[in-house]
Amino acid sequence: QTVVTQEPSFSVSPGGTLTLTCGLSSGSVSSKSYPSWYQQTPGQAPRTLIYNTNSRSSGVPDRFSGSILGNKAALTITGAQADDESDYYCVLYVGSGIWVFGGGTKVTVL
Amino acid sequence: QVQLVESGGGVVQPGESLRLSCAASGFTFTTCAMHWVRQAPDKGPEWLASVWSDGTRKFYVDSMKGRFTISRDDSKNMLYAQMDGLRPEDTAVYYCAKGGRIGTFYFDLWGQGTLVTVSS
Repeated sequence: QTVVTQEPSFSVSPGGTLTLTCGLSSGSVSSKSYPSWYQQTPGQAPRTLIYNTNSRSSGVPDRFSGSILGNKAALTITGAQADDESDYYCVLYVGSGIWVFGGGTKVTVL
Repeated sequence: QVQLVESGGGVVQPGESLRLSCAASGFTFTTCAMHWVRQAPDKGPEWLASVWSDGTRKFYVDSMKGRFTISRDDSKNMLYAQMDGLRPEDTAVYYCAKGGRIGTFYFDLWGQGTLVTVSS
């Protein structure tokens, strides 16, 4: 069973930078996993931020960027703002028509 | 307007069935893979199933195989989910999502979700 790992929580000061990561319980994440990232606030549907590792979805500010760092996918938020306080989920395509969500990272801006 | 609108959720008893619908508009439905994703209360989302644009290739998370059937009606721009043998742990908000363009593997448009509650 494929398990996608994320930090459970992260705190950042307004204006600061944070990097969230997305790994695999066994193995490495590469661009061939087509990592994507989603932002979700309570009661709302997820919002697509990043796809194919580092492509921004339409309307997403360039404060959000994606990359591969070592053996993990990463989402970096620069110049954190109060409304970045959300849950962030990564998703990996593991092949054969199967996707797996990570457990999510709760980001607090304070 | 580009949107997905789910319907069909509600309260059902354990063992019952439910059919969810997702109405798509504002984009060329026939060229898109479509997905169902659910989110249990206070949990993260979980991918459940996908149907490719050709309608013949369908994929499911292991835990739902045999109880969940995804289908599409391209003449109506509709996506469906047939859920059988529902269990209390199936209680969740169910989202339909549109796949990205060919060669990408992500969910680029989400509906607002429909709540399914399984309880006696």
